[in-house]
Amino acid sequence: ETGVTQSPTHLIKTRGQQVTLRCSSQSGHNTVSWYQQALGQGPQFIFQYYREEENGRGNFPPRFSGLQFPNYSSELNVNALELDDSALYLCASSADRMNTEAFFGQGTRLTVV
Amino acid sequence: RKEVEQDPGPFNVPEGATVAFNCTYSNSASQSFFWYRQDCRKEPKLLMSVYSSGNEDGRFTAQLNRASQYISLLIRDSKLSDSATYLCAVNLPAGGYNKLIFGAGTRLAVHP
Repeated sequence: ETGVTQSPTHLIKTRGQQVTLRCSSQSGHNTVSWYQQALGQGPQFIFQYYREEENGRGNFPPRFSGLQFPNYSSELNVNALELDDSALYLCASSADRMNTEAFFGQGTRLTVV
Repeated sequence: RKEVEQDPGPFNVPEGATVAFNCTYSNSASQSFFWYRQDCRKEPKLLMSVYSSGNEDGRFTAQLNRASQYISLLIRDSKLSDSATYLCAVNLPAGGYNKLIFGAGTRLAVHP
C-alpha cells in the first residue's frame, strides 16, 4: 500500500456538470500531482501542488482546477464536463516537488455521459 | 515527436521467457527515470528507479543510456504474475519543479 487514497473510486456524471475528486497524500509528503489517464494511454500530467500552491501545469484547460490543503490533501475540480473527460484520474504524492519518487493512489474512474 | 516513447506491444511470451522493454525520451534535460507496472484498471505502481550505472532487483534489470536517451527494462524467467502494462516515466525539469512524463505503456501477457 502506498498510503495515498483517492475518493470516490467511481463516478458517473452528465456532460456540463462539475466534479470534485479528492486525494490524501502519503504521510510526510508535501507534493501532490494529478494525472489523467485515458484508455490505452499513459497518465498525462494535469498539475502539481506543493505546499498549497500550484507550481506547475500541463496542457489542460482552465476548467481543470485544484486545491491543496494545509494537511497536504488535495482536490481536483473539473467544470463543464465533456465526454472526453471520461478517464482514470490519478493523484501521486511525493516527498518533494522534484518528484524524487512518486506514489499513486488507486484512482477515480470518471465516466461522463 | 512524443516526449517519451515505448514499444507499443503487446508482448505475448511463454512462462520462463526473457523479455525486454525499450523506452526513448526526447528531452536531454530529463533528470531521473522510472519503470512503473500497471495492472488492468489499477493504479501504476513503482517498479524500479533507473540509475546511470544500471540496477537489478531480482529478475528485473533496468538500464539507462543518457547518450542515446534510452531506457530499458529486462525481465528474466517471466511469471504469469508479470502480466501487466509497463510504463516508462521520465522526470523532467519544468522551472522550479519536476514533472513526470509517461510513455503510453507496453502490455505484457505471459502465458503457460
